[in-house]
Amino acid sequence: DAGVIQSPRHEVTEMGQEVTLRCKPISGHDYLFWYRQTMMRGLELLIYFNNNVPIDDSGMPEDRFSAKMPNASFSTLKIQPSEPRDSAVYFCASSQIWTASVTGYTFGSGTRLTVV
Amino acid sequence: GQNIDQPTEMTATEGAIVQINCTYQTSGFNGLFWYQQHAGEAPTFLSYNVLDGLEEKGRFSSFLSRSKGYSYLLLKELQMKDSASYLCAVSTNAGKSTFGDGTTLTVKP
Repeated sequence: DAGVIQSPRHEVTEMGQEVTLRCKPISGHDYLFWYRQTMMRGLELLIYFNNNVPIDDSGMPEDRFSAKMPNASFSTLKIQPSEPRDSAVYFCASSQIWTASVTGYTFGSGTRLTVV
Repeated sequence: GQNIDQPTEMTATEGAIVQINCTYQTSGFNGLFWYQQHAGEAPTFLSYNVLDGLEEKGRFSSFLSRSKGYSYLLLKELQMKDSASYLCAVSTNAGKSTFGDGTTLTVKP
């Protein structure tokens, strides 16, 4: 398996623009997580899905953020409109509940977002 | 909510042993993970503890005491490539983990 695939790797956008981050989890994994990492706040959980259903979105900062998982192999995180304070590295991770104790979460390479 | 504490930074010498501590307070507990993250890269899984005691995996070992809300990661025979951030993460229900801020370890020759 190619692992968790995220795109784009880097995104630079202007304040007010819409940004869409994409993630393809590992095949067979039933959990998908979106995390955001900054120096100030560390690694924060934004939202997670189980079998394509959003379970907990309490970490989503505000209504400007939304996430979808239309099928088991694809998820998006959208920011509209973007603001400079959204600048961070956004990680997608996936896991399989019965093997998480052996393999933990598998993270994608991340998307480094810069909003100017 | 969860509260996870780790030292911010540690320094050690190549070939030595270092212990990175993690204390946590959570409502519910379903296991504790350790991850390694090199600068500019994604976190990678190191270990998982759900029962009290020590789990050994080569040069890395992880210990858990649930009654004390305490874990440590022990790295032996340190190598330069072990310079990284080490993240403690607590799982409090099926599938969801909360991460500490991480400990940046610098290994010096």
